[in-house]
Amino acid sequence: QKEVEQNSGPLSVPEGAIASLNCTYSDRGSQSFFWYRQYSGKSPELIMSIYSNGDKEDGRFTAQLNKASQYVSLLIRDSQPSDSATYLCAVNSFLIKAAGNKLTFGGGTRVLVKP
Amino acid sequence: DGGITQSPKYLFRKEGQNVTLSCEQNLNHDAMYWYRQDPGQGLRLIYYSQIVNDFQKGDIAEGYSVSREKKESFPLTVTSAQKNPTAFYLCASPGDNTGELFFGEGSRLTVL
Repeated sequence: QKEVEQNSGPLSVPEGAIASLNCTYSDRGSQSFFWYRQYSGKSPELIMSIYSNGDKEDGRFTAQLNKASQYVSLLIRDSQPSDSATYLCAVNSFLIKAAGNKLTFGGGTRVLVKP
Repeated sequence: DGGITQSPKYLFRKEGQNVTLSCEQNLNHDAMYWYRQDPGQGLRLIYYSQIVNDFQKGDIAEGYSVSREKKESFPLTVTSAQKNPTAFYLCASPGDNTGELFFGEGSRLTVL
């Protein structure tokens, strides 16, 4: 059983601080990694994808991947109240398209940014 | 605009009734998926279809059925055999050459 583990939170951070979210996965053969943001009652939306070891930055978001240690993390810099949401980590065994059947989601980390 | 449309957004069902959730996409994607989400839990795959007229069971297919007669449409029927159907249902389709999923807005089913 392939697993993706996340701390459910809530992770409470003051406005302007850095939020750090972690995700570990069990399948050492995993190839692609995603962070989705999900507001309450809404569908998930992709905010970051990462495929190779190291850091990937996009605006205030940085994804970090360490395949040897089997973890992927997400940093949110200058956190804003609008960042308050649940963040889902998803791990895929394949790089190719139409592989959603191999995508495993974690339970999500709820983030609360306090003004 | 291209996207995935789910309907209805909210649905109430009495025990013993079958209900069908609609999912339509105009992205011209071959593959479509149905997920279920329970509070505080991740998404679990119910059924998926890689191409028209073909579909496969996911991790939690019992009590559900699907059809894929058209590329654009992938309806999900929640049957009376599903013992705990109250959940948030998400239809999704993968982007080309990536594992990224595009989601519909979801359908929230409540059993009374």
